[in-house]
Amino acid sequence: EAGVAQSPRYKIIEKRQSVAFWCNPISGHATLYWYQQILGQGPKLLIQFQNNGVVDDSQLPKDRFSAERLKGVDSTLKIQPAKLEDSAVYLCASSFHRAGGSETQYFGPGTRLLVL
Amino acid sequence: KQEVTQIPAALSVPEGENLVLNCSFTDSAIYNLQWFRQDPGKGLTSLLLIQSSQREQTSGRLNASLDKSSGRSTLYIAASQPGDSATYLCAVPTSGTYKYIFGTGTRLKVLA
Repeated sequence: EAGVAQSPRYKIIEKRQSVAFWCNPISGHATLYWYQQILGQGPKLLIQFQNNGVVDDSQLPKDRFSAERLKGVDSTLKIQPAKLEDSAVYLCASSFHRAGGSETQYFGPGTRLLVL
Repeated sequence: KQEVTQIPAALSVPEGENLVLNCSFTDSAIYNLQWFRQDPGKGLTSLLLIQSSQREQTSGRLNASLDKSSGRSTLYIAASQPGDSATYLCAVPTSGTYKYIFGTGTRLKVLA
């Protein structure tokens, strides 16, 4: 079974530029999560999708971050414009059924973003 | 608001030692608790998930316990090996939800 795929693995941009990350969850997984992990901290949930609907985006900085999961499969997270403090690893995770619950979340390898 | 604390922040032990990692959380009204492992430059791997009705879960050399009333969980690693070197994170949902709050992790180094 293929795992959660993310691309790119690394990205370096200058502040005020835009960037997009892509995630393909495990086949059949209805729930998809985007996390931000700043160096030395645990992951912080940015947005959670159930199929193509948003379940929780309370911690997503909506003035600069956006995410979509149009067909309920893969997802894109965008930052526009980027700030220095957006430097982090962006992790995508998926789970089979309902949001969390008794099910394990499976994580992708992450995209490491450096904003200069 | 759920807050998760992990102690110690870093740990270095010789190979073969048994060790305990601690996780504490402020809101005990949780559905479950998960322990994850994160290797450098990689994503997270789920190790153990303990439902709120359970007291512990075991997988190989790993044993995780949960005491909801005191807001604590421990991850016990028996006979540690160099391959166990990684960061271990615990994650707890905020009250009444499945939205996970992660601790900052314990960086473990097992010396050969």
